[in-house]
Amino acid sequence: AQTVTQSQPEMSVQEAETVTLSCTYDTSESDYYLFWYKQPPSRQMILVIRQEAYKQQNATENRFSVNFQKAAKSFSLKISDSQLGDAAMYFCAYRNGGATNKLIFGTGTLLAVQP
Amino acid sequence: DSGVTQTPKHLITATGQRVTLRCSPRSGDLSVYWYQQSLDQGLQFLIQYYNGEERAKGNILERFSAQQFPDLHSELNLSSLELGDSALYFCASSVAAGGVYEQYFGPGTRLTVT
Repeated sequence: AQTVTQSQPEMSVQEAETVTLSCTYDTSESDYYLFWYKQPPSRQMILVIRQEAYKQQNATENRFSVNFQKAAKSFSLKISDSQLGDAAMYFCAYRNGGATNKLIFGTGTLLAVQP
Repeated sequence: DSGVTQTPKHLITATGQRVTLRCSPRSGDLSVYWYQQSLDQGLQFLIQYYNGEERAKGNILERFSAQQFPDLHSELNLSSLELGDSALYFCASSVAAGGVYEQYFGPGTRLTVT
């Protein structure tokens, strides 16, 4: 069975600084996708970024980028120029590339942004 | 706004009762997923429907059941409720059952069992 591990329950960053959130996963599949979701205090789940396992290039979305290390099964999220609105719970998630689409989530990292 | 709607937003009920949570997927999406977010279990997948048929099952209790109707909306039925069923229940939808398609989450229904 696939698992996702987030070892940092809480992180803190100064506004305008850079922070990296860690995620490791375990799978024997070769076709899969990885995601970072943001959950602000409103509780809405917002997709931040996604990475296809077959792509070697790391995904980037504006101030958000990932470091995907396939052999190490590591998938970290880097937030550059942190803003107050980035404060939220961040979940790493895994999905097989097969016929079902269920997401497997990590336990989350609560990010605080200090002004 | 993801385009996925869930009703009600909040639900407070007593132990032993039965409730129904409703989800309307984004226009054009055929697949619906239900997730439970609780302090004890974190975020976990419950069940998936695709075009009216059950496609995948996760850690869903026997007291819980779901269905997807011809108009593609879905309902999650929770019966014989226990205190531990208090959680945020999310519905998500995607165009297809697998592949590259994204899942879009609704705002959730917060269930409190007293």
